[in-house]
Amino acid sequence: SQQGEEDPQALSIQEGENATMNCSYKTSINNLQWYRQNSGRGLVHLILIRSNEREKHSGRLRVTLDTSKKSSSLLITASRAADTASYFCATDKGDYKLSFGAGTTVTVRA
Amino acid sequence: EADIYQTPRYLVIGTGKKITLECSQTMGHDKMYWYQQDPGMELHLIHYSYGVNSTEKGDLSSESTVSRIRTEHFPLTLESARPSHTSQYLCATGLYNEQFFGPGTRLTVL
Repeated sequence: SQQGEEDPQALSIQEGENATMNCSYKTSINNLQWYRQNSGRGLVHLILIRSNEREKHSGRLRVTLDTSKKSSSLLITASRAADTASYFCATDKGDYKLSFGAGTTVTVRA
Repeated sequence: EADIYQTPRYLVIGTGKKITLECSQTMGHDKMYWYQQDPGMELHLIHYSYGVNSTEKGDLSSESTVSRIRTEHFPLTLESARPSHTSQYLCATGLYNEQFFGPGTRLTVL
């Protein structure tokens, strides 16, 4: 069953702009993770935020988590052409199995 | 260099054929996973293993089977391929909460 849902489905921005995408989920979680997938390839882990954390940073990435609203956001600052990819949130209920959303496709225009 | 390998990368096959998708890893991780992903859609967990001789079915029912005889090897088999099996199959390993993905096998059944 699909646990996470991303919004928007697709996003097109100019190089240098920020990109924000959201993820909502349905049940209690142990942690929430964000992954990137370049066209037709495997996924790459970006960042993990635990249920007792509210915000986390990694380079140009900023993730927030609001467990009361069952939602998370991923912000990519100063986007680059290489950031063009699909971004997936994945929730972990503590059993080492991930439930993925349908993803947000980000296109960064030069 | 530790990595995850999937072969073949692309496979076009006729209905009724038996196929095995290979997944091997040099990372030494106990946890391994198989996901099915249609274009532009979320990943669905179809099989997972937490160690040698341990395999479980995932959230999405699948006609495929898996085996885990060695830590580094987690092959997926379809006894009789059908057009409905056309999809991308992603193999991953897990360490603590994070998962590491192979490049995927894109399967087309005619």
